[in-house]
Order: sequence, then C-alpha cells, then structure tokens
Amino acid sequence: AQTVTQSQPEMSVQEAETVTLSCTYDTSENNYYLFWYKQPPSRQMILVIRQEAYKQQNATENRFSVNFQKAAKSFSLKISDSQLGDTAMYFCAFMKRYAGNMLTFGGGTRLMVKP
Amino acid sequence: DAGVIQSPRHEVTEMGQEVTLRCKPISGHDYLFWYRQTMMRGLELLIYFNNNVPIDDSGMPEDRFSAKMPNASFSTLKIQPSEPRDSAVYFCASTGRVNQPQHFGDGTRLSIL
Repeated sequence: AQTVTQSQPEMSVQEAETVTLSCTYDTSENNYYLFWYKQPPSRQMILVIRQEAYKQQNATENRFSVNFQKAAKSFSLKISDSQLGDTAMYFCAFMKRYAGNMLTFGGGTRLMVKP
Repeated sequence: DAGVIQSPRHEVTEMGQEVTLRCKPISGHDYLFWYRQTMMRGLELLIYFNNNVPIDDSGMPEDRFSAKMPNASFSTLKIQPSEPRDSAVYFCASTGRVNQPQHFGDGTRLSIL
C-alpha cells in the first residue's frame, strides 16, 4: 500500500513571496503519477499540477512548479509570486499506474498568504 | 463543459434519518469515486465504480452506507440510519480514462444532529 505524508500542517507566506510545500510518499511501484490539489475555503478540489514518475523533467504550471526527486520519494510544490487567492489547503496525491485511477491523499497543508 | 455535479450542497438532518447524496459525473467519464472528508481522518475513499460497476468498496465504513450507480450519468450514496459521526463533507469525483486525474464536485456538507 502507498502512503503520502505532508509534514507541514500549516504554513504562511507574504504576498508576492515564494513558498514551498513538502510531500513525501512511500511506494514499491516504479510507474505512478503524483498530483497537487488545492482546496480553497469554497471547498472545491482543484487540480493544480501533475507529474508522471517516468518523466525526469519537473512539471510547471504558470506560478506553480514541482521538485520531483524519485529516488528520495519527494514531491514538493513551489508557489512563486504568492497571491491572496492561493490561500487554501493543499493536498499531495499518489496514483499507481493502471490501478483504477485511485488516489491516495496526504493529510494536507494549510497555506495562508498574508497581505 | 459542466463539471461533476453534486446535490444537495448542504444537508442537515436528525440522527436516524435516511440521507441520500447524489452525483452526476462528467459526461463520458466512466470512473466515479465517493470520498468523505473530516478534520480527523482527512480524505477517505469510500467506494469507486468503473462502467457503473462497483470495483472497490473497502472504504465503506459500515453496512449503514450503500452506493449505487444505476447508469453512467448518476450515482447515489445513501446512509441509513444516519448518526452524528457521519457528519462530514462528501465528495464525488470522476475521470474519463486510465491514468487521468480526478475531477471533483463541490461536495455535500452533511450535518447529522
């Protein structure tokens, strides 16, 4: 079974600064996918970014980028130029390839962006 | 395109009552997932369907919980009888192809008094 750990329950950052959220996972699989989801106070679950384990290049989506370290089983999310709208819970998630699209979620990190 | 649609958005009821949560997946998606989110336990997968067939229901907490998917565009999660500890946000999610991320509905906040 896979486990996903987010060791930072809460974080804060000043508007326009950069923040990095940590995620580690444990698996014996070699082929898998990793995701970051954002849950703002409105409660929606919004996909932020996705990484395929077989790709060495780190994924990037506008101000969001990841640092994927496969050997270390680490998958951190970097948010550049933080905006007030980035205030949310952030969940890291693992999906084994060809396994029914099931996600295993971490416990989440609550991010507060301060003006 | 319409996203995953859940109803109701909020439900408040007394313990012992039957509760039915509804979900309409994105058209063309053939995987559907039900999750429960609480402060104590985070996001838990309850059950998922593929092509309307339940594949894994190991996360369903008790026999009081049941889920159905009578067709490709509709699923229900039922709790009977409900208890205060069932209070949570329940999410439905769907995905269309293998190895694709899930798209979530806005969730149903359930409060059992």
